[in-house]
Amino acid sequence: DTGVSQNPRHKITKRGQNVTFRCDPISEHNRLYWYRQTLGQGPEFLTYFQNEAQLEKSRLLSDRFSAERPKGSFSTLEIQRTEQGDSAMYLCAQSVGSYNEQFFGPGTRLTVL
Amino acid sequence: ILNVEQSPQSLHVQEGDSTNFTCSFPSSNFYALHWYRWETAKSPEALFVMTLNGDEKKKGRISATLNTKEGYSYLYIKGSQPEDSATYLCAGETSGSRLTFGEGTQLTVNP
Repeated sequence: DTGVSQNPRHKITKRGQNVTFRCDPISEHNRLYWYRQTLGQGPEFLTYFQNEAQLEKSRLLSDRFSAERPKGSFSTLEIQRTEQGDSAMYLCAQSVGSYNEQFFGPGTRLTVL
Repeated sequence: ILNVEQSPQSLHVQEGDSTNFTCSFPSSNFYALHWYRWETAKSPEALFVMTLNGDEKKKGRISATLNTKEGYSYLYIKGSQPEDSATYLCAGETSGSRLTFGEGTQLTVNP
């Protein structure tokens, strides 16, 4: 257990619905990352925050995706108008230490029907 | 953007066998190489972060080496046990921020 928690662990939704995931890191005011993992692939970078500032976004993050980290604490990832291609495991990670070692949460598995 | 490749894609070994996997990455703009172990229904677990050419790191029966000049890293498991069954991921880092993961090597250790 890394101490990074994610909720919900599983989410099943119908195409076109909006979903929001939450990540609670171990501690505040450091780097927090979001990745997406689909079957047979490694995790793919989506975005990351340094404190509350969103510093980088992948081109995978279409305009239907938005992430926030108010006050540099927990973070949320929202997907609007979900599509079947959004079905994946969404992972949150926190970076601790000088070598950017990232500690991952257990992920939220999204299934879009 | 890094292109990180891992081989083999999957591996089945018998309990007690030693095994190794390969991770290759572009040697230009290298910053760090990370290894993770990911068991089903659990969080990916950080194993090693390596930055220097020739680095060797060890954690119990698992060890890793790094060659930044030729762009590869090996992960070794000595005397595999069923509890070592997992997907082993490597990830390259170019700038102290995002990680670029390979597709992973899925290891199954049969008792």
